[in-house]
Amino acid sequence: EDKVVQSPLSLVVHEGDTVTLNCSYEVTNFRSLLWYKQEKKAPTFLFMLTSSGIEKKSGRLSSILDKKELFSILNITATQTGDSAIYLCAVRGNAGGTSYGKLTFGQGTILTVHP
Amino acid sequence: GAGVSQTPSNKVTEKGKYVELRCDPISGHTALYWYRQSLGQGPEFLIYFQGTGAADDSGLPNDRFFAVRPEGSVSTLKIQRTERGDSAVYLCASSLTAGPGRGTYEQYFGPGTRLTVT
Repeated sequence: EDKVVQSPLSLVVHEGDTVTLNCSYEVTNFRSLLWYKQEKKAPTFLFMLTSSGIEKKSGRLSSILDKKELFSILNITATQTGDSAIYLCAVRGNAGGTSYGKLTFGQGTILTVHP
Repeated sequence: GAGVSQTPSNKVTEKGKYVELRCDPISGHTALYWYRQSLGQGPEFLIYFQGTGAADDSGLPNDRFFAVRPEGSVSTLKIQRTERGDSAVYLCASSLTAGPGRGTYEQYFGPGTRLTVT
């Protein structure tokens, strides 16, 4: 059974700090790892990673994947109050058959950024 | 274009009643997914469709849950004889497709339906 574990479960920082969120996983026949930001209801897509060692970057956010050690990190530099949210990590694998679409999510990291 | 939409946004029902939750995916997306999210947890997979057919329904918790997508666009999640434990936010997502390839299949989520069973 696929499994995703995120750490820390919650984090409180001040504006301007840099944070690193961790995601470790076990998945059969890895396809991709995705990061989402969830502020109210709908998770919004941040990154999809498929290859080790290639950093994906968008503004102050960046992410990298290590397929050998089975983990990913999400970095946020110069945090702002608007970064306060739940950050979700998910993996997509294929345990056999024709099912390729299922995402398995971690519990999420609750990030709170104080002014 | 418009994102994924879900109706209703909130639904309160009594234990034992039947409910239907609707999802309208992004236009042109052939894959549609249903997840359930309880408080303090990440979304939990229920079922996904590729076109009209259910490609994987392994996440449906029991036979009280059923979903359809008759024309390959809008989908309805149906829950019979609701129980208090069914209370959660039901999220729908869609993607361009859901093939075996490694990339290009990011899923875009709707705002969810918050179901409360009293």
